[in-house]
This record gives sequence, C-alpha cells and structure tokens, in this order.
Amino acid sequence: SAVISQKPSRDICQRGTSLTIQCQVDSQVTMMFWYRQQPGQSLTLIATANQGSEATYESGFVIDKFPISRPNLTFSTLTVSNMSPEDSSIYLCSVEGFGTGDGANVLTFGAGSRLTVL
Amino acid sequence: AQSVTQLGSHVSVSEGALVLLRCNYSSSVPPYLFWYVQYPNQGLQLLLKYTSAATLVKGINGFEAEFKKSETSFHLTKPSAHMSDAAEYFCAVSDRAGANNLFFGTGTRLTVIP
Repeated sequence: SAVISQKPSRDICQRGTSLTIQCQVDSQVTMMFWYRQQPGQSLTLIATANQGSEATYESGFVIDKFPISRPNLTFSTLTVSNMSPEDSSIYLCSVEGFGTGDGANVLTFGAGSRLTVL
Repeated sequence: AQSVTQLGSHVSVSEGALVLLRCNYSSSVPPYLFWYVQYPNQGLQLLLKYTSAATLVKGINGFEAEFKKSETSFHLTKPSAHMSDAAEYFCAVSDRAGANNLFFGTGTRLTVIP
C-alpha cells in the first residue's frame, strides 16, 4: 500500500495565525482526502482533493477556512486559516488503498499532524 | 444515512485474555464495514473489512470480526491479547464503494495489562 508522509507531525500555534500541512504520497493517486480527528471524537472528512480541480468540501467545512492545494498526483496541502483553540485537532491525510488485497473503498492514512492552538 | 456506534471508549484486558471491541452500525442498504487500528503516533491502518462475502472476516494480527445483520453488529475479537495490541481501534461503515463515503466511530482505546 501507499506510504504517506505528513509534515509537520505536530505544532503549537497562536490564535489568529494560519498553518499549512503537507502530505506527500510515494505513488500517484487520483484522490486525496483530508480528515480531522478532534479529541474524543471520530474522524470527520473535511474535503476530497483531486488533481487539477477544486477540492470538494463536506458539510460544515469551507474553502476560506481550509484551503487545499493539489498541484500534482503525489502531493497536497491543507491550510488551517485564522486558527482558534477549537481548531486544535489531529489532521490526517489519506488516499484510497491499492495494491494487494485492498479495495477501492479502503483508506491508507498518514501519521497525522497534531495541532494545538493557544 | 449511515452511522457507527462503538460501545466503550476504553477497554482494558489482561495479557492473554479475550479482546472484544463492540461496534454497531446503521445503514439503509447492505453496508461495507471496516476496522482500523491506530498505534501511538502513527496513522490508521486497516485491520479487516467486510464487503458481503463471508460473514466472519479474518484480519491481521489475529483479529477477526463477525457481521451479524440481525444485530446490526460488527464486533472485533481476538482470542488472546498481546501487549502490542494496545492501540485505538476505529469501526467504520460505508453504504457504497468510494472512500469519500466512510463514516467512523469515535474509537475504543485498548489497554493491555501485563
């Protein structure tokens, strides 16, 4: 399966600032997904990023708050803008699984980026 | 609409004891069901999945799960816990193929006591 690298792994940010998270995949993939994992809660899909088109956002998430770039088939960024303490979460990048045994609806995840907003 | 309920946010078992992590789902159509595991400081990885073939699904590391339609359950079990099983486990459901249609439970943290 794919190997996903995320940067930064963790960061402490000040209220009102923005932070960009990078996601690098070792193989070309059509769709990349960004999830948020809030403390004590389940993973929630933020948006789906396709190369060459605008990201598709889920209900409750907007482009102004979470702008996403997808410049090529192996890379994506998620920016968390104008952060507040409520944005303190783990942000996870993922791709659909492929390779031996994986089906089209299985996800491979990066290790996540843990953001703390003060 | 589909949803997942994981009973018990924390489960503790002794090393060598049975592991049972509970998951109940809601779906208006036959679901795809998944268990993922997240070890400390790592991303989630797939343990096993159910896609309407066999109702008893075997996964990695000795885990298995049984799909019970009448109980809308997909509980995860392992006969004998190992210290390395300590992690957070997530159940997920999808009502159709497509990774952007996956709904996760809130997770169960498994602690293994030596």
